[in-house]
Amino acid sequence: AQTVTQSQPEMSVQEAETVTLSCTYDTSESDYYLFWYKQPPSRQMILVIRQEAYKQQNATENRFSVNFQKAAKSFSLKISDSQLGDAAMYFCACTSNAGKSTFGDGTTLTVKP
Amino acid sequence: DVKVTQSSRYLVKRTGEKVFLECVQDMDHENMFWYRQDPGLGLRLIYFSYDVKMKEKGDIPEGYSVSREKKERFSLILESASTNQTSMYLCASRGGQGREKLFFGSGTQLSVL
Repeated sequence: AQTVTQSQPEMSVQEAETVTLSCTYDTSESDYYLFWYKQPPSRQMILVIRQEAYKQQNATENRFSVNFQKAAKSFSLKISDSQLGDAAMYFCACTSNAGKSTFGDGTTLTVKP
Repeated sequence: DVKVTQSSRYLVKRTGEKVFLECVQDMDHENMFWYRQDPGLGLRLIYFSYDVKMKEKGDIPEGYSVSREKKERFSLILESASTNQTSMYLCASRGGQGREKLFFGSGTQLSVL
């Protein structure tokens, strides 16, 4: 069984500043993958970043990076130089190699101009 | 780019009606999923399918069934709609195993009156 916990229902950040969204997970799988997805008001869910659990190096995608702490089962998302277009709901997800994805409850990010 | 199309963006049905939610993907993906999204509860997996005519229960299958007669199409069926099935329904597809990202449709907001 897998569980994913996002402890911050809402976060806000000033434009151009940095914000970190928290995520913890639990899984009995030895081989799994972690994802952050973004859901803007259009409702179209899109991938932000992916981390393979067997890799120690933290994933980065432009302004987005993760802090992956495997022993602590923590997978936080850092957004640097926040932009108005980053405003959305963000979901953390854990996927087993067999393919079932478990999602957290989501964090709504507001970006203030 | 992969396209996942959900037949309706908004749907209003009456209690007791049989409801069909359709999802079509155009990239020959083996894996397809139905999630429901409720405020504060994140995405919860209803059913998934790894191949044609194959289906498996997710975490909340009660009150739902699915059909996958063709690889590209995965239908969610509410046999007798109830008010507690008012929700946002998201379809997703994925090629390959867990390391691959999910491609999502834009969701169907279902209201059962």
